[in-house]
Amino acid sequence: NAGVTQTPKFQVLKTGQSMTLQCAQDMNHNSMYWYRQDPGMGLRLIYYSASEGTTDKGEVPNGYNVSRLNKREFSLRLESAAPSQTSVYFCASSAVLETQYFGPGTRLLVL
Amino acid sequence: GDSVTQMEGPVTLSEEAFLTINCTYTATGYPSLFWYVQYPGEGLQLLLKATKADDKGSNKGFEATYRKETTSFHLEKGSVQVSDSAVYFCALSHHNTDKLIFGTGTRLQVFP
Repeated sequence: NAGVTQTPKFQVLKTGQSMTLQCAQDMNHNSMYWYRQDPGMGLRLIYYSASEGTTDKGEVPNGYNVSRLNKREFSLRLESAAPSQTSVYFCASSAVLETQYFGPGTRLLVL
Repeated sequence: GDSVTQMEGPVTLSEEAFLTINCTYTATGYPSLFWYVQYPGEGLQLLLKATKADDKGSNKGFEATYRKETTSFHLEKGSVQVSDSAVYFCALSHHNTDKLIFGTGTRLQVFP
């Protein structure tokens, strides 16, 4: 039982490049989330998905897109990376109205 | 809108000292309250939670009581260990939503 897994663990991009962050959970959870963590700002919700086939914007969605590929997987895409997107990205999952479980994070540096 | 305010860190303590990390919230209705912990290089883990007023959440020697009258959920531990060094996040959610609203986090450093 791996819980929530994220790939890659670390990535360096140049401004304008694109990439997709992958997230998968094996707990049969309906809800999945993407957060970014920045110094002095805690975690902020980027997008979330309440169930397979649905996605909704969170607090800071600009510059990102998401795909809920199936119940297990929820990906986050940066189409044209900017230095302001340098951050640590966390994926999380939960059963409906239950505790969220977090992945280990992806550290992204945009030059 | 809803928000969570935590004391700024870092909090630096000697081993076996008493710990308090303050957390207050602003929210409509009766949110659920959480403390999450993030150890170096890892994701967040739920430490404890409380879902209604006067509830006390507890885990691993940590405690926090949901105080509606003061809109607070302060984290306490009677005797900290070096292994408790981490960043602690206070958070809230409403009962009809899965969304968590986090505070900015408080770094705890415990020295032998």
